[in-house]
Amino acid sequence: GAVVSQHPSWVICKSGTSVKIECRSLDFQATTMFWYRQFPKQSLMLMATSNEGSKATYEQGVEKDKFLINHASLTLSTLTVTSAHPEDSSFYICSATFRERNTGELFFGEGSRLTVL
Amino acid sequence: RKEVEQDPGPFNVPEGATVAFNCTYSNSASQSFFWYRQDCRKEPKLLMSVYSSGNEDGRFTAQLNRASQYISLLIRDSKLSDSATYLCVVATAAYDMRFGAGTRLTVKP
Repeated sequence: GAVVSQHPSWVICKSGTSVKIECRSLDFQATTMFWYRQFPKQSLMLMATSNEGSKATYEQGVEKDKFLINHASLTLSTLTVTSAHPEDSSFYICSATFRERNTGELFFGEGSRLTVL
Repeated sequence: RKEVEQDPGPFNVPEGATVAFNCTYSNSASQSFFWYRQDCRKEPKLLMSVYSSGNEDGRFTAQLNRASQYISLLIRDSKLSDSATYLCVVATAAYDMRFGAGTRLTVKP
């Protein structure tokens, strides 16, 4: 079964609104969570890395004020796309690594497809 | 130069064919290597880790060449269900994993 759950799977919003995406680890404590963005026919692009209880580390070129990441607990991280615009339309995926399953494998959420009108 | 490079394909092969993908990486400090499979509009899923000595899992064989900084994936006896995008993942540490753009495979009847 799923180890990491992401919600919502699909979201359509108007330009200028904010959208929150949740990423939950179901059975294990996630030591680190990652957020990616994937445009059609392109690779996963790492946006930020977050550890529980600390500020996220953003990749170069990713605006921290636009993509707010909160990792409040070992089982939940959220990504908020603030004042979304059509160019933010993309597939957003989270992943996690777990202390109990330290094999280097990344466990991905199902992804959230954001469409900004 | 990209950190992880893959031939984007697409590779179109008939059922039963053998197909191989290569992936090159630029960071010589890379420690861990993986192949992930991603179906259209889905999240990536681990296909197999790549070990220094090479490893096999059924019809899939992965190899690592540290000297030339590339990894490969060989798929034998291709099935229709193998159609997907195959992502090469290279990590310097547990928290620093980089993805290739993916190689798209279509297996046709």
